[in-house]
Amino acid sequence: EVQLVQSGAEVKKPGESLKISCKASGYSFSTHWIGWVRQMPGKGLEWMGIIYPGDSDTRYSPSFQGQVTISADKSITTAYLQWSSLKASDTAMYYCARGYCSSTTCYTASDHWGQGTLVTVSS
Amino acid sequence: EIVMTQTPLSLSVTPGQPASISCKSSQSLLHSDGKTYLYWYLQKPGQSPQLLIYEVSNRSSAVSDRFSGSGSGTDFTLKISRVEADDVGVYYCMQSIQLPQTFGQGTKVEIQ
Repeated sequence: EVQLVQSGAEVKKPGESLKISCKASGYSFSTHWIGWVRQMPGKGLEWMGIIYPGDSDTRYSPSFQGQVTISADKSITTAYLQWSSLKASDTAMYYCARGYCSSTTCYTASDHWGQGTLVTVSS
Repeated sequence: EIVMTQTPLSLSVTPGQPASISCKSSQSLLHSDGKTYLYWYLQKPGQSPQLLIYEVSNRSSAVSDRFSGSGSGTDFTLKISRVEADDVGVYYCMQSIQLPQTFGQGTKVEIQ
């Protein structure tokens, strides 16, 4: 069974750093894209970026480029999303989501999602 | 980036009645490989999004056959043949032909 288990809720102050995680199991971690999606309170879904753990190929939405860093550790089948300096506007739910594969090709669109990590940034 | 526009933004449906959501993209989602990269997700209250339909019309595993997707190019539709109480939530279309992947604004479906 495919599972994506995210780290727990965080409460941080503006200017602090943060790294949240997404532990994958039940499939070949290296051969599926894994991405991050933001959902601000009461709002819709925003695609942030994605990584291919097999070779660490990483793509960012222009809206998030330079604002966050996406990484992955194949040895522990875990993906990460990190901030070096949080802002109040980073307050949101963050979801990791796995890209799906057909018999021949793997895609960036997601078929399985984590449970979400709520990040609250407040002074 | 490709803009996805959903209509309506909210829908109130009587149980057992059909429902339909439209999604239009600012560019064609037809790839040179012959596939069209349009997806539908449902986010039930308090839950993570779940994949309903991939590549326009393919139901994800365990998704009821009451859900169907159709369309081509830039115009797409999600239909629910007979709405049930468990179908409430926000429905999103999404494209992945081009990065960044982009979502529609979401359509909130409520039961009357």
